[in-house]
Amino acid sequence: EPEVTQTPSHQVTQMGQEVILRCVPISNHLYFYWYRQILGQKVEFLVSFYNNEISEKSEIFDDQFSVERPDGSNFTLKIRSTKLEDSAMYFCASSISPPGLAKNIQYFGAGTRLSVL
Amino acid sequence: AQKITQTQPGMFVQEKEAVTLDCTYDTSDQSYGLFWYKQPSSGEMIFLIYQGSYDEQNATEGRYSLNFQKARKSANLVISASQLGDSAMYFCAMREASSGYSTLTFGKGTMLLVSP
Repeated sequence: EPEVTQTPSHQVTQMGQEVILRCVPISNHLYFYWYRQILGQKVEFLVSFYNNEISEKSEIFDDQFSVERPDGSNFTLKIRSTKLEDSAMYFCASSISPPGLAKNIQYFGAGTRLSVL
Repeated sequence: AQKITQTQPGMFVQEKEAVTLDCTYDTSDQSYGLFWYKQPSSGEMIFLIYQGSYDEQNATEGRYSLNFQKARKSANLVISASQLGDSAMYFCAMREASSGYSTLTFGKGTMLLVSP
């Protein structure tokens, strides 16, 4: 069964360093998303991406964050100058149908746990 | 106000019994979608079931059914014949027309433990 793949599963970094979290969405999906889940808290939407552009972003997604689809398969989240509070599980998701449809099902990867020391 | 409220931090059920996980939501939109996801200890988020605000029938997917009470703004997940593999965190989520449908808003989750 097709699945969203995220690498690495766990990333440890020093405060102030840049990290890139990688995702391979389901192959025929066109809409991509990043969410994060701080330990013990809710899953929060960060950004959605379609046709090489950001469709929507939340207040959390500030200038520290960027997303890119560098090739036909990968979808990346870059965090510049990481802070302690960026420590969280980051989930990538993809969907085949556009967000404009209520029954747009987003399929999630297993997440990358980011630990900022 | 919380968009999605899951009042049960944890639930226990015996194998083969049915269990209901509560979810209430808050929206002024007429068009919205409600979702349940399962998060086992391995961490991935697994889509379980979807209910549209205009759907007249309650959604069902195998052992999962959604008890949708629109007037009460509740969308409870019912798992019939629980299995040990159902032990996981369960999240209720909503997407609203006013948010452009991109954003899934999640509740805090309910941890379900199934005992033999």
